[in-house]
Amino acid sequence: NAGVTQTPKFQVLKTGQSMTLQCAQDMNHEYMSWYRQDPGMGLRLIHYSVGAGITDQGEVPNGYNVSRSTTEDFPLRLLSAAPSQTSVYFCASSYSGRRSSPLHFGNGTRLTVT
Amino acid sequence: EDQVTQSPEALRLQEGESSSLNCSYTVSGLRGLFWYRQDPGKGPEFLFTLYSAGEEKEKERLKATLTKKESFLHITAPKPEDSATYLCAVQGNDMRFGAGTRLTVKP
Repeated sequence: NAGVTQTPKFQVLKTGQSMTLQCAQDMNHEYMSWYRQDPGMGLRLIHYSVGAGITDQGEVPNGYNVSRSTTEDFPLRLLSAAPSQTSVYFCASSYSGRRSSPLHFGNGTRLTVT
Repeated sequence: EDQVTQSPEALRLQEGESSSLNCSYTVSGLRGLFWYRQDPGKGPEFLFTLYSAGEEKEKERLKATLTKKESFLHITAPKPEDSATYLCAVQGNDMRFGAGTRLTVKP
């Protein structure tokens, strides 16, 4: 049982490049989300999804796109990378976002934008 | 706006020296308060959920408590393997995380 799997673990981009961070879960969770973690700040919600075909914005959505075509996968796209997007990105899932269920996290993608 | 503040930012303890971590929050309609443990280079790992004031949960050397304004994570007789960053999160309209407390336990 792999849980939440994120790829890649590390990535370096130049300003203006685009890329997709991958996230997959095998727990049949309805709710999936993307967070970024910066030093001295709490995890901040970028986008989330309460089920296949449904996505919504979180606290810091600008510069990022998501889609949810299957229950298992929730990729995060950086459209045109900026140095301010240098961060550690975590994907998380839970049984249902409508109830207070604990989040299961992947091990993160460390992104550096130069 | 929902807010979560954790204190202290960092805590250094000797092995066996008990202490508490604080999580203060303001939220419109608390649906749950969560504690997570995060090791370096890893994602947060779920520890506890508390739903209402007065509730307590225990796991090994950790005990979490909840009031209407704050939660405490009590660590009794900590060991070096308890060293980690401990995150608090509150579920209101959405999930808000605190910045964490980095705990170091020296042998």
